[in-house]
Amino acid sequence: AQSVTQPDIHITVSEGASLELRCNYSYGATPYLFWYVQSPGQGLQLLLKYFSGDTLVQGIKGFEAEFKRSQSSFNLRKPSVHWSDAAEYFCAVAVNSGGYQKVTFGTGTKLQVIP
Amino acid sequence: GAVVSQHPSRVICKSGTSVKIECRSLDFQATTMFWYRQFPKQSLMLMATSNEGSKATYEQGVEKDKFLINHASLTLSTLTVTSAHPEDSSFYICSAQLAGANTGELFFGEGSRLTVL
Repeated sequence: AQSVTQPDIHITVSEGASLELRCNYSYGATPYLFWYVQSPGQGLQLLLKYFSGDTLVQGIKGFEAEFKRSQSSFNLRKPSVHWSDAAEYFCAVAVNSGGYQKVTFGTGTKLQVIP
Repeated sequence: GAVVSQHPSRVICKSGTSVKIECRSLDFQATTMFWYRQFPKQSLMLMATSNEGSKATYEQGVEKDKFLINHASLTLSTLTVTSAHPEDSSFYICSAQLAGANTGELFFGEGSRLTVL
């Protein structure tokens, strides 16, 4: 079965600093990969996704992620963090499971942004 | 596009009562919907996969008689927490995949906070 690891439970960065959130997955083939963001008490919003092709994908709100097959990683990056980026971020993988895509989420990384 | 609406957003009930949560895809058809449970400061735990017109597929450890799922149409799935107890208090989130799409992209509802007294 596939699994997703987000090694950083909590990250604090200064506003304007760069950000990288780590994500590693375990699966025999290349799954579909996603990053979602969740604000407190809210559902999840898709930031970006990777299906195939260019390994560097651009998302909303200035985020990007790079798929590295050799490292089974899909790290999320942003060059300059804004205070509104404070939220919880979830990496997810989707694999085909009997006619639909079964999605597995990582444990999440909570981002705190300080002035 | 691809909006999922969940209702109610918050519900408080007494122990022993049943609570129904609705998940609707507003502008698309969803043959498959998913129900997740999220404990405080934890990730989303998949409870069950809801397929339109058929029985839901429950994940291991999830009581199907406790968490009744009905997916009667291509735009509506419901989760009923039966005989709720305080330990059922949690944040429940539904999501849907576009019918015919096979990419795994999920569209999430806003979540429902259940508090059982």
